[in-house]
Amino acid sequence: DGGITQSPKYLFRKEGQNVTLSCEQNLNHDAMYWYRQDPGQGLRLIYYSQIVNDFQKGDIAEGYSVSREKKESFPLTVTSAQKNPTAFYLCASSIDMTGYTEAFFGQGTRLTVV
Amino acid sequence: KNQVEQSPQSLIILEGKNCTLQCNYTVSPFSNLRWYKQDTGRGPVSLTIMTFSENTKSNGRYTATLDADTKQSSLHITASQLSDSASYICVVSANTGNQFYFGTGTSLTVIP
Repeated sequence: DGGITQSPKYLFRKEGQNVTLSCEQNLNHDAMYWYRQDPGQGLRLIYYSQIVNDFQKGDIAEGYSVSREKKESFPLTVTSAQKNPTAFYLCASSIDMTGYTEAFFGQGTRLTVV
Repeated sequence: KNQVEQSPQSLIILEGKNCTLQCNYTVSPFSNLRWYKQDTGRGPVSLTIMTFSENTKSNGRYTATLDADTKQSSLHITASQLSDSASYICVVSANTGNQFYFGTGTSLTVIP
């Protein structure tokens, strides 16, 4: 089935550690996004990529890094520089970024710092 | 500043009743507006999408309206079911920048 797969569903991190969240899509979409969702707040954009080997910072990129070496994959690394990483992380993709396309979301990864 | 505001923040209704959720936006230049349903611990799933020229769009028991002049949208749920319990998110797309602007969502709880 076509879609977006995020893994793992739950992730626990010790303070000072880097962790990487996986996002894979088989929809042949050019654009991919990472969002962070906190209780009572709307989704906030961390990074986005319009095309392979290109990515741009979103509104809250500090403490995060990404790569886009393959069209299908857009992993997010939460570094030790992110002071409050506990949150629900959502990956999304769309055909392009013209504004007329729908964003399809993965099932999310819940990251908890222990 | 591009913003999307939703009301109410939360809502509790009895099974079988109707309800209406509101979305006001200031996003410009406007491209389209979508309503998403997000079950707890899951990713959002699209319910409807409307462009500038569309006033209403239905998807089963869900009916969305759009007034592009006043920059308002509503999502009407008819004959609610327990499975309608979720967060409903209004998302407005612009033709520039990072494209999507999200509301904070309305948490709907349907009780028997």
